[in-house]
Amino acid sequence: SAVISQKPSRDICQRGTSLTIQCQVDSQVTMMFWYRQQPGQSLTLIATANQGSEATYESGFVIDKFPISRPNLTFSTLTVSNMSPEDSSIYLCSVESGAGGKNEQFFGPGTRLTVL
Amino acid sequence: AQSVTQPDIHITVSEGASLELRCNYSYGATPYLFWYVQSPGQGLQLLLKYFSGDTLVQGIKGFEAEFKRSQSSFNLRKPSVHWSDAAEYFCAVGGSDYKLSFGAGTTVTVRA
Repeated sequence: SAVISQKPSRDICQRGTSLTIQCQVDSQVTMMFWYRQQPGQSLTLIATANQGSEATYESGFVIDKFPISRPNLTFSTLTVSNMSPEDSSIYLCSVESGAGGKNEQFFGPGTRLTVL
Repeated sequence: AQSVTQPDIHITVSEGASLELRCNYSYGATPYLFWYVQSPGQGLQLLLKYFSGDTLVQGIKGFEAEFKRSQSSFNLRKPSVHWSDAAEYFCAVGGSDYKLSFGAGTTVTVRA
């Protein structure tokens, strides 16, 4: 399985500011995903990030609010822009395992964001 | 659209007792099914997966799950629970579009 790290592990931010979360994988992967887990809730997919193309956003998520970069096959960033307290969540990145398109994903440890 | 239902929000079990977590899915074709565990303050760890073949799958930490197509279920079981099994458990379903849909999760509390 892939080893995934995220930075920062947690942060407390002020309303109106932006935070960029980094996701690093120890091997080259085609597909990376970003999820949001609001307090006490399940995971919701924000977007899929493939290297060399624009990220694909799920319904309810827009690029202006959650811009994503995918500069190479081992790295991605998610920015949470113009934050409000409703953005307080755990943000997780995941990678597709390469098991022939069967959606097996490995997850990073998450970034716990608190917006005041 | 694919979806997952975990009927039990919270389960309390005694250490050494058996555990079963329920998962029902909705998917139009053959699903890919997963169970993940999230310990407090941690990311998600894959416990086991079902792609095809034998409907009883073994995972890590002594967990197993059984795929029942007729019931659209993929229940997770463990014969004897340890205190370290206290965590949040998520069932997920995937298809050919590389997207995973997660259930709401079941919180497991283990009492001594």
